[in-house]
This record gives sequence, structure tokens and C-alpha cells, in this order.
Amino acid sequence: AAGVIQSPRHLIKEKRETATLKCYPIPRHDTVYWYQQGPGQDPQFLISFYEKMQSDKGSIPDRFSAQQFSDYHSELNMSSLELGDSALYFCAIPGHSNTGELFFGEGSRLTVL
Amino acid sequence: KNEVEQSPQNLTAQEGEFITINCSYSVGISALHWLQQHPGGGIVSLFMLSSGKKKHGRLIATINIQEKHSSLHITASHPRDSAVYICAPHPYYGGSQGNLIFGKGTKLSVKP
Repeated sequence: AAGVIQSPRHLIKEKRETATLKCYPIPRHDTVYWYQQGPGQDPQFLISFYEKMQSDKGSIPDRFSAQQFSDYHSELNMSSLELGDSALYFCAIPGHSNTGELFFGEGSRLTVL
Repeated sequence: KNEVEQSPQNLTAQEGEFITINCSYSVGISALHWLQQHPGGGIVSLFMLSSGKKKHGRLIATINIQEKHSSLHITASHPRDSAVYICAPHPYYGGSQGNLIFGKGTKLSVKP
């Protein structure tokens, strides 16, 4: 069965610091999606990758960047952190069958102080 | 106005009750996901629909593309069904399949 491992699960940073979140699809997958869910908010699509190239962009701030590497893990880099960046960050992959199912990681909870 | 509206926002049911959660959307879509989010935050994909009806165990999801409406039904509800249920359509303007617009969720609490 497919799955996604995210790390770290929890991260605490100060304002103006930088944070990096990682996403590991199991098994490898050519597609990854990133989402941000603020406290009490619905998730928002940030960005997606297909075969290591950005395939779509949502409401991702310019201070954020992301990559999909040759081993298909992905990283979300966040710089000049603001209090409002405190959120749960999910990555997800589509299933390998044609059901359209998505597999989400458990999320990385970022707290900016 | 939000592109996705879910109702009700909160729902409390007794164990065994039949539950319906509704989702209406205002944009053209190619598919719609129903997701389940537990208190710890983890999200599980329940269904992806582009037409008709799907059933998985006690869960049934339907969609009417012409009416821009989808429903999620839970039969014989159980306390372990307590979670937030999120409707997430994939709009035509969304490039990748994961570019979803999310409803605000329906918080379901099933009492024993």
C-alpha cells in the first residue's frame, strides 16, 4: 500500500527564521502535492510537482519554495517565517491505481513564535 | 461567497443513526474528493467521484454534476466515525489533480 512519511512531525521556529519540511512517498511516486492548513482553517493547495518539475502552483507565498528530488522525496523551504505561517503542512500523492485516491502524510506542524 | 459550501458545519448523532453531509460548489469541476480528518490532524481520502455513486463499507458518496452537489452518507454510524469530513472538488481551472478547493468541513460527533 502507498503512504507518505513527513518529517519533522513538529517544528518550532522563531520569526524570520527558516524551516524545511520533508516528504517521502512510499513507494516512490512521480507526483507530490503540498498543502497548508492554518489553525481552524481549511487546507489550501500550495504547489505540486511531477517528475521533479513544478506542475502547478496555488497560494504559496514567495518566501516559500519547494523541490522534488531525483529520489522523488520533496522538500518545502520556508524563509523569513511569520507568525501566520504557523500551520499544519501536508504532502500527498495520488494512488497508483485509477481510483483517484490521494494518500496524505500525517503532516508537519510548524509553530512560529 | 465561498466556492465550496458544506452543511451542516457541526453534527452530533447517536450511534446507529444514518448521517448525511452535503456539499455544494459553484465552479465547474472534473472530480470531487471526500476526505476524513481526525483530531490529530491526519487526513484520509474516502472517495473520489466524477459521477454517480460510490460505496465503501458503511460509506456512500453521490454526486450530481449538473446540480453541483455531492453528499456523503454514513449508515449505522459509530463513535469511531467521529471526525471532520471535508469536501474537496478539483476545479477545471486547477492544473494538477491535487489542486483542490476545500470546504470548511463538517465536524461529526457520534455518541455511544
